[in-house]
Amino acid sequence: QVQLVESGGGLVKPGGSLRLSCAASGFTFSDYYMSWIRQAPGKGLEWVSYISSSGSTIYYADSVKGRFTISRDNAKNSLYLQMNSLRAEDTAVYYCARVGTPGGMDVWGQGTTVTVSS
Amino acid sequence: SYELTQPLSVSVALGQTARITCGGNNIGSKNVHWYQQKPGQAPVLVIYRDSNRPSGIPERFSGSNSGNTATLTISRAQAGDEADYYCQVWDSSTAVVFGGGTKLTVL
Repeated sequence: QVQLVESGGGLVKPGGSLRLSCAASGFTFSDYYMSWIRQAPGKGLEWVSYISSSGSTIYYADSVKGRFTISRDNAKNSLYLQMNSLRAEDTAVYYCARVGTPGGMDVWGQGTTVTVSS
Repeated sequence: SYELTQPLSVSVALGQTARITCGGNNIGSKNVHWYQQKPGQAPVLVIYRDSNRPSGIPERFSGSNSGNTATLTISRAQAGDEADYYCQVWDSSTAVVFGGGTKLTVL
């Protein structure tokens, strides 16, 4: 079935780096835009980044611009988020999501937790 | 940057109709998507493009969008509808925008 599975979360010190992965299955990954969304503890959803199906178009939220890099490998059906210069305020559950044709995010992973703390 | 405003909480009696609003400047000109998130779970798309339901979403969920307000309507509210609800749009300047979320309580 259609599925997204995130991995790579963990505990990291401020200033450190982490790379998140999202493995897609059950659909033609290369046909879809993909996005990362995060949710800080007890807070709402915050969009982080999205990437077009080919990888040629990328956008970032201002809060992560210059520190995070989104990428994808269509041959491996995988989405990535390289996170550098991490801050305490980056602590959150990170979700990857498929952007459906009508524009809504119609498939979500279960999330991976990133904790930035000394 | 574009902003979406939602009430922090909405309460509804069991079996009655709940309406959750999402305010934004001329939001009626944009496509609005709605998500339901239950505690400890990932969000689920319940309405896309203002008023369309993905397969598997009950007909009790409906949406509308006009002027400066989009509305998610949940008819015959059930205990299982208790959740946080988020609206979302795509904006030319901000890319993806989420509302702050509304906690729905079914009394």
